[in-house]
Amino acid sequence: AQTVTQSQPEMSVQEAETVTLSCTYDTSESDYYLFWYKQPPSRQMILVIRQEAYKQQNATENRFSVNFQKAAKSFSLKISDSQLGDAAMYFCAYRRRDMRFGAGTRLTVKP
Amino acid sequence: EAGVAQSPRYKIIEKRQSVAFWCNPISGHATLYWYQQILGQGPKLLIQFQNNGVVDDSQLPKDRFSAERLKGVDSTLKIQPAKLEDSAVYLCASSLDGTGVEKLFFGSGTQLSVL
Repeated sequence: AQTVTQSQPEMSVQEAETVTLSCTYDTSESDYYLFWYKQPPSRQMILVIRQEAYKQQNATENRFSVNFQKAAKSFSLKISDSQLGDAAMYFCAYRRRDMRFGAGTRLTVKP
Repeated sequence: EAGVAQSPRYKIIEKRQSVAFWCNPISGHATLYWYQQILGQGPKLLIQFQNNGVVDDSQLPKDRFSAERLKGVDSTLKIQPAKLEDSAVYLCASSLDGTGVEKLFFGSGTQLSVL
């Protein structure tokens, strides 16, 4: 079974600084997809960034980028120039057929 | 475009009572998902529909949970009878065809408290 592990229950970053959230996963598949979702207090999950496993190039979306290490089964999220609006729960997710989520990391942004 | 609509937003019931949640996905989305998110955990897939057929319900506690998606549009998730451990947020999501790197669109969820 595929599992997704987020080892940091909570992280904190100063506004305008950079923070990296960790995610590892377990799979025997070679073709799959990885995602980072953000969940603010409104509870609505919002896609932050996504990565196809067959692509070696790391995905980027404005201030958000990933470090995808396929051999290490690692998929970390880097948030640059952190903003107060980035404060939320962040979930890493793995998809082969169904989408499985990690337990989440709560990010606090200090002004 | 309109997002995924869910109702009610909150629900409080006593154990052994029944409850139903409703979800209306984004128009044209063939795939609909119900997730259970217990406090402090990530969402767990309960059931996935493709149009009005079930693709995956392996983690649905079928002795008490049921779901339907008549006409392949909106969906209802029911719990009968509810247990204390069913207290959670129930999230509905939809996507165009449920494959690959396609993103899921989520509703705001229903927060269920079982007393």
